[in-house]
Amino acid sequence: DAKTTQPPSMDCAEGRAANLPCNHSTISGNEYVYWYRQIHSQGPQYIIHGLKNNETNEMASLIITEDRKSSTLILPHATLRDTAVYYCIVRVPNSGNTPLVFGKGTRLSVIA
Amino acid sequence: GAGVSQSPRYKVAKRGQDVALRCDPISGHVSLFWYQQALGQGPEFLTYFQNEAQLDKSGLPSDRFFAERPEGSVSTLKIQRTQQEDSAVYLCASSFIWSVGELFFGEGSRLTVL
Repeated sequence: DAKTTQPPSMDCAEGRAANLPCNHSTISGNEYVYWYRQIHSQGPQYIIHGLKNNETNEMASLIITEDRKSSTLILPHATLRDTAVYYCIVRVPNSGNTPLVFGKGTRLSVIA
Repeated sequence: GAGVSQSPRYKVAKRGQDVALRCDPISGHVSLFWYQQALGQGPEFLTYFQNEAQLDKSGLPSDRFFAERPEGSVSTLKIQRTQQEDSAVYLCASSFIWSVGELFFGEGSRLTVL
């Protein structure tokens, strides 16, 4: 079972920041937070991951609370192409064959 | 190609038929996963290979499902005597070594069983 809780859907105006929350209150000390997204009719795509420090790359920023019980994925300037289902996943890295466990994710709709 | 390639993209089968779905991972990727995704749901893990060894098949829903990767590169997911509940998108993903890094997913094979 997924160890994360996400809102089922969100809307965001084009050009505005999209802030996608994720609750992972039972996260353990060695588990990372991963974000993937899935655009319609495509496979999931990696976005970003982090342990406890905030992370930023060319796609997004990841803000993890100090107690690590929740995080927020930020798309700074959402475009129509960012419309997708966003999955927040926690996992212990270097843990052999432990697969990614997906929940239902958040369906983000970017509106013109 | 540079990405994970899956074929066929779409497959329609009559109930009771056998189907085979192919995954061509990124060259050099050691780890390979198969996932099943029902409509409106997140992907669910089926099985995992490290090179040619199938290290985890705990997610396969029944003994009608079989996966292989005989030479440690291309993998085939076979479903025997298909049932309507097998209708789903089957996703393949690969990575160099499954550790901290990302998984690279293919676009999936959509199976419809009539």
